[in-house]
Amino acid sequence: EEQLVESGGGLVQPGGSLRLSCAASGFTFSTYSMNWVRQAPGKGLEWLSYISRNNNIIHYAASVKGRFTISRDSAKNSLHLQMNSLRAEDTAVYYCARDIGGRADAFDIWGQGTMVTVSS
Amino acid sequence: QSVLTQPPSVSAAPGQKVTISCSGSSSNIGNNYVSWYQQLPGTAPKLLIYDNNERPSGIPDRFSGSKSGTSATLGITGLQTGDEADYYCGTWDSSLSAAVFGGGTKLTVL
Repeated sequence: EEQLVESGGGLVQPGGSLRLSCAASGFTFSTYSMNWVRQAPGKGLEWLSYISRNNNIIHYAASVKGRFTISRDSAKNSLHLQMNSLRAEDTAVYYCARDIGGRADAFDIWGQGTMVTVSS
Repeated sequence: QSVLTQPPSVSAAPGQKVTISCSGSSSNIGNNYVSWYQQLPGTAPKLLIYDNNERPSGIPDRFSGSKSGTSATLGITGLQTGDEADYYCGTWDSSLSAAVFGGGTKLTVL
C-alpha cells in the first residue's frame, strides 16, 4: 500500500524551531516530487513547499520563505520540513503529499497529518 | 483571501447533481492544470480530479471536472449523504511560482 506518515509535530514556543518528517512506503519515493501542505484549524488548505524528485528544483510559499526548508533523503525514503522562527499563525495540521505529475498541481497521496501548535 | 475563488457552500438533495466552481486568472487556471480534492471531516484531502478532467483509479465517474478559460468546475452526480465534505480546487500559479488552492466549498446533501 502506498503510504505517507508524518511525524515531528508538537507544541513549540513562538520563535522556536521544529523539524517535521514524512516516511514514504509502498512506492518508489525517488521517482516522485513531493510537497508540504498545511491546514490551520477551521481553515482551508495552504501549500507550503515543493521539492523535485532529484532535489534540483525547490519552491516555497511567500508565507514561509526564508523560515522553512524542505529536504529529502531518497536513500531513506523520507521528506523533511525544517521550520524556524515559528509564529502563532503557523499553528496547523501539516501534511506531506506526493506530486502525481511533478508540476505541483495535483497531489495524489497524502499523509494523515501532524499537528503543530505554536503558543507560549 | 485565496488566489482561487470558490463558493463557500453548495447544497442539493440526494440523487441530484451539483457543480462547484473555481475561478482564477491567466497565471494559474488559464495556463495550468486544475485538480480537485474532497476532504471529509477529520481526514486528509483526497484527490478526485487531476489534469482538469482525469480521475485517479478508484474515483467513481459520478465525479467529473472541466475547465474553460480561467475557470474550472467540479461536477458530482447521483449525490449521496457520504459526499458531504469540503471540496478544494488547486493548480500552479506561474506568476507566484507557487501552488495555490481555492478557499474550499462545503457541500451539504439535504
